[in-house]
Amino acid sequence: GAVVSQHPSWVICKSGTSVKIECRSLDFQATTMFWYRQFPKQSLMLMATSNEGSKATYEQGVEKDKFLINHASLTLSTLTVTSAHPEDSSFYICSAQGQMNTEAFFGQGTRLTVV
Amino acid sequence: GENVEQHPSTLSVQEGDSAVIKCTYSDSASNYFPWYKQELGKRPQLIIDIRSNVGEKKDQRIAVTLNKTAKHFSLHITETQPEDSAVYFCAATDSWGKFQFGAGTQVVVTP
Repeated sequence: GAVVSQHPSWVICKSGTSVKIECRSLDFQATTMFWYRQFPKQSLMLMATSNEGSKATYEQGVEKDKFLINHASLTLSTLTVTSAHPEDSSFYICSAQGQMNTEAFFGQGTRLTVV
Repeated sequence: GENVEQHPSTLSVQEGDSAVIKCTYSDSASNYFPWYKQELGKRPQLIIDIRSNVGEKKDQRIAVTLNKTAKHFSLHITETQPEDSAVYFCAATDSWGKFQFGAGTQVVVTP
């Protein structure tokens, strides 16, 4: 299958700082990228959907000013957690899709720890 | 928006037996239903998917059935093996193509 690379795999940051997570589709053009948050032993909670060149669509309850999403090209989307707090500590994972209603390929995820 | 419910949350089966996981969805416009397997510490991987114009699809030991009228779909794993132990997620795409995942099923296959 197609390859989606997410970077970094893990990051530790101090409270109040910002962290950027990158999601790249390596061998296909991703018209849509999804960002999820996954708590231990829980499901994938969709945070936002981003389409290349347009503003991301956020799910209810997700603060768009806190979780900044940029999808500047067909192969790269970034999630920036601004002014991070310990409660933002989680596993963040992206997925990329070439065409609507087709398989979405997942990145390896980023373990964020805010201290 | 789409709401996907998945049952059971945990499933323990003996090696060689079959496992069945069921999901229901709410958006009648949904037309793509993938199943993902996530092993501990790894990314979810697609194992099988089905579209709304098909009622059943099979790939070796894995099969998925879809009942559009009742808005439910199921994953069937036959002749289970220890390597089938993982968390399985169903998903449905809504009218905007967004994936909404079920809560997941922890499958444990005991030798």
